[in-house]
Amino acid sequence: DGGITQSPKYLFRKEGQNVTLSCEQNLNHDAMYWYRQDPGQGLRLIYYSQIVNDFQKGDIAEGYSVSREKKESFPLTVTSAQKNPTAFYLCASSAPGPPYEQYFGPGTRLTVT
Amino acid sequence: QQQVKQSPQSLIVQKGGISIINCAYENTAFDYFPWYQQFPGKGPALLIAIRPDVSEKKEGRFTISFNKSAKQFSLHIMDSQPGDSATYFCAASLSQGGSEKLVFGKGTKLTVNP
Repeated sequence: DGGITQSPKYLFRKEGQNVTLSCEQNLNHDAMYWYRQDPGQGLRLIYYSQIVNDFQKGDIAEGYSVSREKKESFPLTVTSAQKNPTAFYLCASSAPGPPYEQYFGPGTRLTVT
Repeated sequence: QQQVKQSPQSLIVQKGGISIINCAYENTAFDYFPWYQQFPGKGPALLIAIRPDVSEKKEGRFTISFNKSAKQFSLHIMDSQPGDSATYFCAASLSQGGSEKLVFGKGTKLTVNP
């Protein structure tokens, strides 16, 4: 099956700890994205990557970091510098385009206490 | 200029009725307008999309109407069903150098009563 997988589905961490969210795709898409979703806020772009070994900050990159060492993988690290990390995190990838239609993974719900 | 304003925030419709969700944008450089459907605890799924050179696109019970001069677009769900109950997001994008940056509306929670 082709698609985007995110793991784990639920993640719990203590305040002050870094945590890494996994995103893998087997769609052979070049571009990948990370979004954060909060209730009533829509989706906000954290980071995106157009090709391996390259990535760009989105609108809310502070407190997050990413890497893109392989085409199929785009992990997101939520650092202790992120002031309000509890949220639903969504990974997406886009098909060759235009239009560059984005397809989303199932998401990871991170709770930091 | 990068915002997409979506309304209403929530919508309740009876089974068989028409659901209408509206979005407005400012940036005339946006070149692609998708709608996403999201069920609780799941990732959004692309529902239907339109380019600005088209005024209407229909796929089954779902229709996008696009008004370029007014910088508005809307989603119409005909014969709404309880299974359509979900949160719907409009978005607008700029295609740049091999990728796109999507700007999302804040979502509309649709409830279709049986």
